[in-house]
Amino acid sequence: EAGVAQSPRYKIIEKRQSVAFWCNPISGHATLYWYQQILGQGPKLLIQFQNNGVVDDSQLPKDRFSAERLKGVDSTLKIQPAKLEDSAVYLCASSLFRQAGDTQYFGPGTRLTVL
Amino acid sequence: SQQGEEDPQALSIQEGENATMNCSYKTSINNLQWYRQNSGRGLVHLILIRSNEREKHSGRLRVTLDTSKKSSSLLITASRAADTASYFCATDGRGANNLFFGTGTRLTVIP
Repeated sequence: EAGVAQSPRYKIIEKRQSVAFWCNPISGHATLYWYQQILGQGPKLLIQFQNNGVVDDSQLPKDRFSAERLKGVDSTLKIQPAKLEDSAVYLCASSLFRQAGDTQYFGPGTRLTVL
Repeated sequence: SQQGEEDPQALSIQEGENATMNCSYKTSINNLQWYRQNSGRGLVHLILIRSNEREKHSGRLRVTLDTSKKSSSLLITASRAADTASYFCATDGRGANNLFFGTGTRLTVIP
C-alpha cells in the first residue's frame, strides 16, 4: 500500500514569509497528525485530526500556525508569518484509528529552513 | 512535559555487537513504542509494548518495560551496519494516541 505522502520535501523561505505543507495520508486512515521535529530533538505533536475534525491542537502555536483537513483526507499545515525558530522538519503521520497504541505511519517530512 | 529521555545520546558499536538503549518517561502510560529514523527519512515503527507487559521480542529486537521505574530499554542483537539510525521511544497519554517522543539515541554500527 502507498505510504504517507508529503510535499514539498524541502522549503527555504525568509522570516515573515508564509509557507504551506501538504500531506496525503494512507488511504482509509481516519486519524492524521502533524509533528514538528527540531534538529537534534524528537518530534513534537502539533495537531491531531479525526476525519475532518480537530481533536487536539494544544501544542499548536495558533498565532502563526494553522491546519485544516477539509474533506477528511488531505491536510495542509500553514505558517504565517514564519520565524527563525520555525526551522525544522514537519512530519505528517496517519493511523487507522485514534485508540492508544494504533500504529502511526510517518511520511518523509518537509524540511523547512527560515532565513 | 511527558516527553521522555533516551540514554545514551549517542552509541557507537562494531557490527555483530549488541546495542542497548534506555528510555525514561514521566507520566502513566498505556503503551510505549520504539521508532527508528534513518537520516533524511521519516520515522518507522519498530515495536510496541503495553503497560501490562514486561518484555517483548520482535526479530532481533527485545524491549523491556518497568512501569514502577518509568523506564524502558531496547536491545538490538547482532547489530548490522543497516541498523545505523536514531532511535526514539514514544509514550502515549492515557486514553489517547498522542505520542510524546524522547530525545533519541543516535546509533552508529561500524562495519
